[in-house]
Order: sequence, then structure tokens, then C-alpha cells
Amino acid sequence: DVKVTQSSRYLVKRTGEKVFLECVQDMDHENMFWYRQDPGLGLRLIYFSYDVKMKEKGDIPEGYSVSREKKERFSLILESASTNQTSMYLCASSYIRGSPLHFGNGTRLTVT
Amino acid sequence: EDQVTQSPEALRLQEGESSSLNCSYTVSGLRGLFWYRQDPGKGPEFLFTLYSAGEEKEKERLKATLTKKESFLHITAPKPEDSATYLCAVQAGSGNKLVFGAGTILRVKS
Repeated sequence: DVKVTQSSRYLVKRTGEKVFLECVQDMDHENMFWYRQDPGLGLRLIYFSYDVKMKEKGDIPEGYSVSREKKERFSLILESASTNQTSMYLCASSYIRGSPLHFGNGTRLTVT
Repeated sequence: EDQVTQSPEALRLQEGESSSLNCSYTVSGLRGLFWYRQDPGKGPEFLFTLYSAGEEKEKERLKATLTKKESFLHITAPKPEDSATYLCAVQAGSGNKLVFGAGTILRVKS
């Protein structure tokens, strides 16, 4: 089974802090994604990557950046955390374009 | 703009009471429609992919169908363990992105 591991289940950060969310997948998948999930809004795509050192903006990239230095690892960076970035963050990977996504269990981030 | 709408937002069923969840979509060039199940505190878990109108997929008490405008997730004789949030997502055009609906929260009472 594919395993997507997110480094933290819960994080509490202060406004203005730089925040790193880490994600690792163990199945040599090409594609990796970062979503945020908010009640009533569903999952919204922040960034995705289809190869090492490649990244593409999703629908809501403002205030975020990403890093993919190795195929198995995809990091989401909040350059200066704000309270409106309080959310559940979900990382996912997929084998090729069009194949199903495999999700991690999420990081619930609270920015105070 | 691609849009996915799920209904109802929440559904309460008695054990054994069959029903359907709806996912309607407006996209240009559907490449695939995906159903996921999400339990509290966990990430979504893949259930089905449907690619063309008329296609059907089944897994235990769940059956997914697809038309040109919508998909249904039929739940036959549900059990309490089927309680979860069910998410629908579409992939359209030449891109690599999925657009998700807001989900349907299903509660099955014994």
C-alpha cells in the first residue's frame, strides 16, 4: 500500500512565523500535491509538482511556497503565517497524471 | 471555470435504508471523476474512478454511476461503518489538477 506521511498531525504557530509542513511518500510517485481543507469549501489545491525541482501553482498559492528537492519529499512553506491560514493541510501523491491521489492524514495548523 | 457541486450536504440514514449521493459537475473535457471516502481525522481514501458516461463501478455496498452531467454514489443497505464524508472530484482538460466538491457527510444509525 502507498504510504503518504505528513510530519505533524497538529501545529500551533504564531502570526508572522515561517512554517514548514513536510510530506514523504514511499511509492516512487511522480506527482505530489498540497491541498487545504476548510469546512464548506472542500479541498483547494495550493501547489503541485510533477517532477523533482518542478512546481506549479494551484488555485490558491498566495502566501505559500513549496520545495521538492527529492522525488519522495514535498514541503509546503508558509513564509509568514497569518490567521487566515489556519486550516487542515493535506498532502497527496499519484503515480502518473490522471491516476488516483493517495492522501496523508493531514496536518491541522492553527495560527494565533 | 470547472465546478463540482455535491448534494445533499448531510444525510442521515437508518441502518439498511438505501439512498444516493449526488455529484454534479460543469467542466470542459472530463477526463475522470473520482469518489473518495474521508473518516474524521484522516485523509481521503480513494474509492472509484469513472471515465465515461454510462460507466458503473461497485465495491461492497457502494455503486458509482456517471452521466454527462452528474455522478451518483448509491449506498445499498448501509451499515454504521459506512458513516463518513464522501468527496467527489473531477479531472478535466489537459491538466493534472483535481477539482473537489465540498462533500456529503453521511451518518448511518443502527
